[in-house]
Amino acid sequence: EAQVTQNPRYLITVTGKKLTVTCSQNMNHEYMSWYRQDPGLGLRQIYYSMNVEVTDKGDVPEGYKVSRKEKRNFPLILESPSPNQTSLYFCASSRSRIGGTNEKLFFGSGTQLSVL
Amino acid sequence: DAKTTQPPSMDCAEGRAANLPCNHSTISGNEYVYWYRQIHSQGPQYIIHGLKNNETNEMASLIITEDRKSSTLILPHATLRDTAVYYCIVLNYQGAQKLVFGQGTRLTINP
Repeated sequence: EAQVTQNPRYLITVTGKKLTVTCSQNMNHEYMSWYRQDPGLGLRQIYYSMNVEVTDKGDVPEGYKVSRKEKRNFPLILESPSPNQTSLYFCASSRSRIGGTNEKLFFGSGTQLSVL
Repeated sequence: DAKTTQPPSMDCAEGRAANLPCNHSTISGNEYVYWYRQIHSQGPQYIIHGLKNNETNEMASLIITEDRKSSTLILPHATLRDTAVYYCIVLNYQGAQKLVFGQGTRLTINP
């Protein structure tokens, strides 16, 4: 089954303790992206990647890192989490640049992160 | 990308057609209209998209006005599982680096 898999689904951590949220897709998609969702602010893009070793900042990249060493994986790294990074995170992928004539975005089921 | 305007909330009875409007009066000729929905805290889900012709798939129908300044997403026989936030998004045909989600329409299907 074609899917975007995120882990973990729920994560509670403390300020300053490094963490990684994994994201993997099995559709051989070139494009991958991370979003965070906060009440009243909607979904905002953190980082995106157009292909292996090609990443770029989205709208809210501060405090986050990403890597794209393999096509299928796009982990989100929080080197020193802070309470303002408490949020619902979504990973997404698409065959190529989204939109256009037929490129839809596939989302994972989300990771609810709480930083205490 | 063009800005979209949607009503913040709508209600529909189960089994009836749900018609969700979207205004995109500044849309340009090379921009597509996409619809996604988000059920409770799940990841957004693609529904349908179109350029200028009406489109239909297994989930919904999309009606785009002739001047392309507005569109309507139609869920023909709404069920309780269609309760979700629906987002109308306009994207350039050349593609984009992100989806810009507005506030969407919170659709509630009532039994």
